[in-house]
Amino acid sequence: EPEVTQTPSHQVTQMGQEVILRCVPISNHLYFYWYRQILGQKVEFLVSFYNNEISEKSEIFDDQFSVERPDGSNFTLKIRSTKLEDSAMYFCASSEALLGGRNEKLFFGSGTQLSVL
Amino acid sequence: QKEVEQNSGPLSVPEGAIASLNCTYSDRVSQSFFWYRQYSGKSPELIMSIYSNGDKEDGRFTAQLNKASQYVSLLIRDSQPSDSATYLCAVTGFQKLVFGTGTRLLVSP
Repeated sequence: EPEVTQTPSHQVTQMGQEVILRCVPISNHLYFYWYRQILGQKVEFLVSFYNNEISEKSEIFDDQFSVERPDGSNFTLKIRSTKLEDSAMYFCASSEALLGGRNEKLFFGSGTQLSVL
Repeated sequence: QKEVEQNSGPLSVPEGAIASLNCTYSDRVSQSFFWYRQYSGKSPELIMSIYSNGDKEDGRFTAQLNKASQYVSLLIRDSQPSDSATYLCAVTGFQKLVFGTGTRLLVSP
């Protein structure tokens, strides 16, 4: 069964350092997303991406964050200068078409646990 | 701010019982509704989707939607200890899913 793949599963970094989280969405999916979940809190939307452009982003997704699809398979989230409060589980997700249509579903990767020290 | 509200629980049920999980949402234009299961430290796993008013059954799971009341529910029949997890309600917003905080379900043997 096709799945969303994320690497690494755990990332430890020092405050102020840049991190890149990587994802390989399901191959025939066209819409890509990043979500995060701080320990004990809800799953929060960060950004959606379609046709090599950001289509929607949340207030969390400030200038410290960026996303890129550097090739035909990878989708990355970069945090330029990490803060302590960036510590969270980051989930990549993908969908075949725009959410809200019938039968469109969102599938998640296994996540990257980011710890900022 | 579009909100999805769930009781955080825990909801405790004995093995074999029916577990009933509820969710309300604030955005009347939401069209699609989902239930995800999340085990501790794992990613959300899609278990049910529902798009029309009424009931939708899949095995031991039944999702119920009432758009007039802005209410979604999930029934789990014959609950098993392996069903113990956090259940996340999610509704579509503009180009994203909006999640509730989740309800923790504990099924005791």
